[in-house]
Amino acid sequence: DGGITQSPKYLFRKEGQNVTLSCEQNLNHDAMYWYRQDPGQGLRLIYYSQIVNDFQKGDIAEGYSVSREKKESFPLTVTSAQKNPTAFYLCASSRGQGLGTGELFFGEGSRLTVL
Amino acid sequence: AQSVTQLDSQVPVFEEAPVELRCNYSSSVSVYLFWYVQYPNQGLQLLLKYLSGSTLVKGINGFEAEFNKSQTSFHLRKPSVHISDTAEYFCAVSSGNTGKLIFGQGTTLQVKP
Repeated sequence: DGGITQSPKYLFRKEGQNVTLSCEQNLNHDAMYWYRQDPGQGLRLIYYSQIVNDFQKGDIAEGYSVSREKKESFPLTVTSAQKNPTAFYLCASSRGQGLGTGELFFGEGSRLTVL
Repeated sequence: AQSVTQLDSQVPVFEEAPVELRCNYSSSVSVYLFWYVQYPNQGLQLLLKYLSGSTLVKGINGFEAEFNKSQTSFHLRKPSVHISDTAEYFCAVSSGNTGKLIFGQGTTLQVKP
């Protein structure tokens, strides 16, 4: 079955540590996205990538980094510079720029807790 | 800039009653509109979308939404809810060029027996 796989589902981190969240898709989608979800705030865009080897900052990119070396993979690193990293992180993909539907397909999410 | 406002953070309703979840958007260009549903500790799933054409859009699980351009609204409705509809619902808008979606804050639908 095609879909998006995020791992790990739950992750605990000590303050000052970097952590990387994995996102893999086998939908052959060009575009991939990372969103952060906090209670009562909806989803906020962290980074997005419309094509391999290219990515853009979203609304809340500070303290995060990404790479897009392969079409299928878009890992997110939460660095120690992120002041409040405890949140639910969602990865998504879409068919990409120019096709215009904007419909996203989401993974199951990764819940990060900083101790 | 585009924005989305979901007017109710929580909507409690009894089983088999009708429900409406309200969504207003602001945009200076043509938009695409979406409703997504999220069950606890899961990702989001598309309920329905408006791209063009008929302003009444039907989605999965018996939900429908009406696009009203003059009122810049895209309210979600269901004539009779079930316990299993208990979830968080997100309205989203896209200009379509990048696929980027702007999400509302979410509405928690609580269906009571």
